[in-house]
Amino acid sequence: RKEVEQDPGPFNVPEGATVAFNCTYSNSASQSFFWYRQDCRKEPKLLMSVYSSGNEDGRFTAQLNRASQYISLLIRDSKLSDSATYLCVVNRDGSSNTGKLIFGQGTTLQVKP
Amino acid sequence: NAGVTQTPKFQVLKTGQSMTLQCAQDMNHNSMYWYRQDPGMGLRLIYYSASEGTTDKGEVPNGYNVSRLNKREFSLRLESAAPSQTSVYFCASTQRGRSSYNEQFFGPGTRLTVL
Repeated sequence: RKEVEQDPGPFNVPEGATVAFNCTYSNSASQSFFWYRQDCRKEPKLLMSVYSSGNEDGRFTAQLNRASQYISLLIRDSKLSDSATYLCVVNRDGSSNTGKLIFGQGTTLQVKP
Repeated sequence: NAGVTQTPKFQVLKTGQSMTLQCAQDMNHNSMYWYRQDPGMGLRLIYYSASEGTTDKGEVPNGYNVSRLNKREFSLRLESAAPSQTSVYFCASTQRGRSSYNEQFFGPGTRLTVL
């Protein structure tokens, strides 16, 4: 079983739709959580960090459920420019604190006109 | 600022050839990382350098070596390339804070094909 699991999709949605992605992680010692965005044939870029209290950035909302060990990303009012692969990322360093990240395989979103 | 740069962008090797992938960052970050990305696998950590002068193995280090030349540069070497090393390679860097790390910044990647 992969340490960070995501549904690879693709998720095909019309413009203006609301779409949600979930991600599960297996190591309960995981410390920090992130969503990265990766455009086709480009490098990953940080979309947002995920906090225990949940956080919102414009049309994007991230939630963390430590008890169930899952992370979610909600995108409201989808735009064509949101088409990309969304990577769920976990830092499970704990006391060793090396900054190492564990990446899920990514969920592909395609927003259609 | 250029951020994280990688050279070359593309490379084709024959089995058994060697090469070095170069990475440099101009953000004065202390930690640097090498990942490979394969279809359906996500990014996997090959080696990392938590600070200048230190390197450690990641999840998939076999067949690779690294050098942290100075604070800016972190190179990845394939001594004897194999077809299984065909992949996209990303270098990343981050700044360690007092108790945690900030986001990792990635280079544009090197697309390597081993025939």
